[in-house]
Amino acid sequence: AQKVTQAQTEISVVEKEDVTLDCVYETRDTTYYLFWYKQPPSGELVFLIRRNSFDEQNEISGRYSWNFQKSTSSFNFTITASQVVDSAVYFCALSGLYTGRRALTFGSGTRLQVQP
Amino acid sequence: GAVVSQHPSRVICKSGTSVKIECRSLDFQATTMFWYRQFPKQSLMLMATSNEGSKATYEQGVEKDKFLINHASLTLSTLTVTSAHPEDSSFYICSASPGTGKETQYFGPGTRLLVL
Repeated sequence: AQKVTQAQTEISVVEKEDVTLDCVYETRDTTYYLFWYKQPPSGELVFLIRRNSFDEQNEISGRYSWNFQKSTSSFNFTITASQVVDSAVYFCALSGLYTGRRALTFGSGTRLQVQP
Repeated sequence: GAVVSQHPSRVICKSGTSVKIECRSLDFQATTMFWYRQFPKQSLMLMATSNEGSKATYEQGVEKDKFLINHASLTLSTLTVTSAHPEDSSFYICSASPGTGKETQYFGPGTRLLVL
């Protein structure tokens, strides 16, 4: 079975603060993919990143960075110098390759509110 | 990037009527499409996996006779909510995968269904 846990239901920060969104996952697959999506109030999912389970290198994209720790089954997401436009619900998701479970298993989401 | 469209974006219907939602991959062929449902302030939950030319695979607890899925071509999948009731009111999101092994899914913008 696959499971994704986002323990932080809601986070509120003031603009320019750094914020880290936690994601912990469980899977029996030896090869899997991890994702982060942003869902603004419009509802449309915005793809942020996909990471292969064999690639543990951390990644940085502008103000966004991701820390993949296979040993602790975590894939955390940090926003540096947060902005009001970052306010949204963020979902971590997982898909397995060889079990045939290619659909995404989503975490419960973390609602981020960035106050001006 | 690849584009997936959904139509309609929003629909209001009376209880007991049927509603059809279309999901189209606009610039790639999708061997597999997935249908998710998201209730307010909740996560996305997989309803079914649709493979072109074969019957859809439904998740446990999803009534296949109520949620009819047709994937008649490599660019179109439809979800029909039959005899809709107020509890079916939700945000329905499809995703499409080209099945190239890269495991990237492209999400549609979603359809908000309100059953009165």
